[in-house]
Amino acid sequence: NAGVTQTPKFQVLKTGQSMTLQCAQDMNHNSMYWYRQDPGMGLRLIYYSASEGTTDKGEVPNGYNVSRLNKREFSLRLESAAPSQTSVYFCASSEAGGELFFGEGSRLTVL
Amino acid sequence: EDQVTQSPEALRLQEGESSSLNCSYTVSGLRGLFWYRQDPGKGPEFLFTLYSAGEEKEKERLKATLTKKESFLHITAPKPEDSATYLCAVQAVGDYKLSFGAGTTVTVRA
Repeated sequence: NAGVTQTPKFQVLKTGQSMTLQCAQDMNHNSMYWYRQDPGMGLRLIYYSASEGTTDKGEVPNGYNVSRLNKREFSLRLESAAPSQTSVYFCASSEAGGELFFGEGSRLTVL
Repeated sequence: EDQVTQSPEALRLQEGESSSLNCSYTVSGLRGLFWYRQDPGKGPEFLFTLYSAGEEKEKERLKATLTKKESFLHITAPKPEDSATYLCAVQAVGDYKLSFGAGTTVTVRA
């Protein structure tokens, strides 16, 4: 009963490097989300996908791209990482809106 | 733009000392207000959804209430295992995304 699975759990990058965070859910949910969490600022939405084949920008999309690969998978890509992107990233899913179910997070440090 | 403000930022309680957390919100038509619990190093865990003013929901020592402008999470006779960060979020009618507050970190001492 995995729920929402994120990989990797930890990553250290140098400024300018690229990487992709992977997310998969096994609850047959239509909607998927990427949030970042920084101290004192709460969870901020980066991108979301209301349904397979659609993606939309959230509150803080600059520097990120996403791909809804299929109904189960939603990836987040950093093309050229910056120190300001040091954060904890959470993937979540929901059934057509409503309560979100979160993964355990991916902790990214950009040096 | 939806806004969610939680207070206090941190709350230190003695075991058994009841208290309340506040979540003030502005949203253009509320679809739902959500409470989550987050333990250190973990993802948020869903607790409650409230849909309309006057609604209340309970789970063990937690009780959530909702008015037109704010929600309260009451912790009755807390135990050390209730120590966590509690997050509040709102969803507007017709929207898929949730907007979160910064959270209240609760520490319960034995």
